[in-house]
Amino acid sequence: GAVVSQHPSRVICKSGTSVKIECRSLDFQATTMFWYRQFPKQSLMLMATSNEGSKATYEQGVEKDKFLINHASLTLSTLTVTSAHPEDSSFYICSANRKGTEAFFGQGTRLTVV
Amino acid sequence: SQQGEEDPQALSIQEGENATMNCSYKTSINNLQWYRQNSGRGLVHLILIRSNEREKHSGRLRVTLDTSKKSSSLLITASRAADTASYFCALTSNTGKLIFGQGTTLQVKP
Repeated sequence: GAVVSQHPSRVICKSGTSVKIECRSLDFQATTMFWYRQFPKQSLMLMATSNEGSKATYEQGVEKDKFLINHASLTLSTLTVTSAHPEDSSFYICSANRKGTEAFFGQGTRLTVV
Repeated sequence: SQQGEEDPQALSIQEGENATMNCSYKTSINNLQWYRQNSGRGLVHLILIRSNEREKHSGRLRVTLDTSKKSSSLLITASRAADTASYFCALTSNTGKLIFGQGTTLQVKP
């Protein structure tokens, strides 16, 4: 079964509103989680590294004020897309590593901004 | 860039045939992983191969790694229509984050 759960799987929002996406590790603690974005027919691009109890580390070119990341517990990281615009429409995926194993990915969230 | 580069970008084969996808990279790695993604879905981990390994098998999957050439290949034998998906190689950085290749879109025709 899934070890990383992501919610919601699909969301449609109006331009200018904010959307929160949750990523949970179900049966292990994850001090680090990763957030990726994927545009149609393209690969996954790392947006940021979410660190429990401290600030997220953002990749170059990713606006930290637009993509707010909170990792308040060892099993939950949230990504909030603030003041969303149509160009933010994308597939967002989180991942977490269980110690000593490969990365596990959430099911992804399809965001459509209208 | 550490990003893996995959080829071919797209591959179309008949059911029963073998499919080979290649991944090349530029820097040293701890390990390399292969993932599968069905359209619009999350990623499914296929195989992890460590830098000191040369070949790994998992069912119909065979992964090779040549660190001298900085390349890896994924072979799917006796392909099935259900293997139709996108396949990505991913390099693991020393911080644990994954850097993905551009992916290969595989279509297996019944």
